[in-house]
Amino acid sequence: GQNIDQPTEMTATEGAIVQINCTYQTSGFNGLFWYQQHAGEAPTFLSYNVLDGLEEKGRFSSFLSRSKGYSYLLLKELQMKDSASYLCAVLDSNYQLIWGAGTKLIIKP
Amino acid sequence: DTAVSQTPKYLVTQMGNDKSIKCEQNLGHDTMYWYKQDSKKFLKIMFSYNNKELIINETVPNRFSPKSPDKAHLNLHINSLELGDSAVYFCASSQGQLAGDQETQYFGPGTRLLVL
Repeated sequence: GQNIDQPTEMTATEGAIVQINCTYQTSGFNGLFWYQQHAGEAPTFLSYNVLDGLEEKGRFSSFLSRSKGYSYLLLKELQMKDSASYLCAVLDSNYQLIWGAGTKLIIKP
Repeated sequence: DTAVSQTPKYLVTQMGNDKSIKCEQNLGHDTMYWYKQDSKKFLKIMFSYNNKELIINETVPNRFSPKSPDKAHLNLHINSLELGDSAVYFCASSQGQLAGDQETQYFGPGTRLLVL
């Protein structure tokens, strides 16, 4: 079966760095997405990785290791507005997006 | 300009009623989706249409019927609503060109359905 695992909840401090991990087992791989979803709002696109390595986009970076079936989202200089759920999703061999359950990130002052 | 829009934003109705949710995208995308997000926040795909044709139809009760009059619209009709249908329903769209990053999905604001 297809499976995506990410921690249910994480807590971090304003100004700090947090890493949200995602491991996956899917039938084929055509890329991995990270989305951010604030409470009561729609998911919004953060990043897409298809090759191994780190992609940096401002305070957010996303890393992929295809051989390990592993990705992480790194958030630096955390701000209170970063409190949200972060969803990992993998595009399988049929170009269907398989979603993780999301990680709720709580930022404390 | 709203890229993906849904109406209504909130829907409160009685069990047994029939209701529809509308979705429109002005991004020129070929593929549109309906998702259900329940109280546990898990995002579950229900349907996907590419150029008005159904391509994904997950295990969803046949009380749910999608309709795509053109590639910019995908509506969801629900018959005989049940308590368990209460959730947030998201519409999304993507270019759908079967090329990695072009599968990036853009979501509508969601429709919060409460069945009493």
